[in-house]
Amino acid sequence: SYELTQPPSVSVSPGQTASITCSGDKLGDKYACWYQQKPGQSPVLVIYQDNKRPSGIPERFSGSNSGNTATLTISGTQAMDEADYYCQAWDSGLGVFGGGTKLTVL
Amino acid sequence: EVQLVESGGGLVQPGGSLRLSCAASGFTFSSHWMHWVRQAPGKGLVWVSRINGDGSSTSDADSVKGRFTISRDNAKNTLYLQMNSLRVEDTAVYYCARGHNDVFDMWGQGTMVTVSS
Repeated sequence: SYELTQPPSVSVSPGQTASITCSGDKLGDKYACWYQQKPGQSPVLVIYQDNKRPSGIPERFSGSNSGNTATLTISGTQAMDEADYYCQAWDSGLGVFGGGTKLTVL
Repeated sequence: EVQLVESGGGLVQPGGSLRLSCAASGFTFSSHWMHWVRQAPGKGLVWVSRINGDGSSTSDADSVKGRFTISRDNAKNTLYLQMNSLRVEDTAVYYCARGHNDVFDMWGQGTMVTVSS
């Protein structure tokens, strides 16, 4: 079965740029999206179709996807961005999530 | 207001059954694929099942295939997940999510399912 791999944790200082990677076989041939989940809350879509932002998502969130790696980039990271982030793609009609990355802003 | 509200979770013994519901409002329910996604305590998101707008096409994760059945009633704007032969490892918060262009653009608040003796 298809797998997506994320680093368990990423740390960033306020105002700096955070990058979270998601790796999978030929992931660049698929669309990748990203979800943010804060403690006790439901996930929220922050990036879809590799690099598109839904309405209401700040411009500091961006994405890319090429080769075997998709990347979520948060520029000028704020304390409110501290959360778990999950990448997601489709493979043969089945949904696949990465294991999640805990972003710590310190 | 666009909303998804899950219900039906609870405590069930291994081998038992449970039916989850997800009531949708504020949008044209029949126009959207709908999904179930689960999250075990302290763990990550796992996609479970999906169903197309008219209910004619479904797909399931291998971990639930043959045990869980997704369905919908468009007249009632409600999504269902019938869960049979439940296992301890099915313990999780179950979210329903609206599909749009192959992403989950809207999520419910989740309902907790605990499988334990």
